[in-house]
Amino acid sequence: QKEVEQNSGPLSVPEGAIASLNCTYSDRGSQSFFWYRQYSGKSPELIMSIYSNGDKEDGRFTAQLNKASQYVSLLIRDSQPSDSATYLCAVNVLGNQFYFGTGTSLTVIP
Amino acid sequence: DTGVSQDPRHKITKRGQNVTFRCDPISEHNRLYWYRQTLGQGPEFLTYFQNEAQLEKSRLLSDRFSAERPKGSFSTLEIQRTEQGDSAMYLCASADRDRGRREQFFGPGTRLTVL
Repeated sequence: QKEVEQNSGPLSVPEGAIASLNCTYSDRGSQSFFWYRQYSGKSPELIMSIYSNGDKEDGRFTAQLNKASQYVSLLIRDSQPSDSATYLCAVNVLGNQFYFGTGTSLTVIP
Repeated sequence: DTGVSQDPRHKITKRGQNVTFRCDPISEHNRLYWYRQTLGQGPEFLTYFQNEAQLEKSRLLSDRFSAERPKGSFSTLEIQRTEQGDSAMYLCASADRDRGRREQFFGPGTRLTVL
């Protein structure tokens, strides 16, 4: 079983819609959770971090964490074509190693 | 902050050759991580440093790979006797753990092609 699981997609949404990206993790000792955006051929760019259960909002982005269900999600409101990228979920276990999912490819259709 | 920098950005080498990559972390970031990423996969952890100490290495890391961070600032990753399977993007990331921050910030990566 992989440490972090993501649906690889592709996920397509129309411009202005809400994009919902999901991630599950296997280690209950996981402490920190991150979402990165990666454009093709580029390196990952940090979007959000979340450490406690509940929602965390930053602009058009909302991260949601449910430790009981071992589930973390990212909502992108008012999706723009520039949001088209691969979104990586990352989990930090015991403050040391980071485990990344394989990413979900998002396409925002104008 | 000028961000994490990596050099070179691209490297093409022949099988069996040695290659070395450099990473300069964000100034005063005490943690530095190396990852490898292949097409369609997420970054795979290789190793990380707390200041100059290498604290953890992936069990999957071949002994052909070695990393250093001699003065707790920049780091180098060397691959000896490269193989075609080493072709990947090598990413460096740094974090400021002294302030309790866990977020990692990535450099632009070094794309390695082994012919």
